[in-house]
Amino acid sequence: DIQMTQSPSTLSASVGDRVTITCRASQSISSWLAWYQQKPGKAPKLLIYKASSLESGVPSRFSGSGSGTEFTLTISSLQPDDFATYYCQQYNSYSTFGPGTKVDIK
Amino acid sequence: EVQLVQSGAEVKKPGESLRISCKGSGYSFTSYWISWVRQMPGKGLEWMGRIDPSDSYTNYSPSFQGHVTISADKSISTAYLQWSSLKASDTAMYYCARHNYDRPHFDYWGQGTLVTVSS
Repeated sequence: DIQMTQSPSTLSASVGDRVTITCRASQSISSWLAWYQQKPGKAPKLLIYKASSLESGVPSRFSGSGSGTEFTLTISSLQPDDFATYYCQQYNSYSTFGPGTKVDIK
Repeated sequence: EVQLVQSGAEVKKPGESLRISCKGSGYSFTSYWISWVRQMPGKGLEWMGRIDPSDSYTNYSPSFQGHVTISADKSISTAYLQWSSLKASDTAMYYCARHNYDRPHFDYWGQGTLVTVSS
């Protein structure tokens, strides 16, 4: 099984901050990685797929990078709507989600 | 408009059986796999398994193999997740999501079904 880790587990930030979340895979997954945003009581929402492709309708302040085993999600200027939990997911071999990173208000 | 609509919340007792559903619309149901994802209270997302509705071929996460059954009825564009004997530890929100070989990420999700197992 491919294991996924994320850091940090919690991130406190202010509106306008640049935020970076890191995701690591236990073995190479090429670029088969997605990022999701989840708000309380809601289903996850796809933000980024294939490591760096922005899903249609997602604001351009979200970006993804990386390949192999290390990946990042960056929010260039945090907005009030962005306070949520973020999950990475590998789909190189079936599917595994990372443990999540909660972005809360500083 | 693509939609995955899940069945409503359930409250069950330990040992009871249950089947929850996920109905797809707005796309060719047999062109996308359906995966099921568990989220226990206050916890993260766990992939449980998937089904190809075109032929009902399934794959399960080792963590869930033998504990749940995933099935589908392509004639009514509906996938199912079922338990034969629920445990309190099955209390969670369950989501379905679609994906395929061209778009292997989960681009559309159901709204979730909350399953509560309590004596």
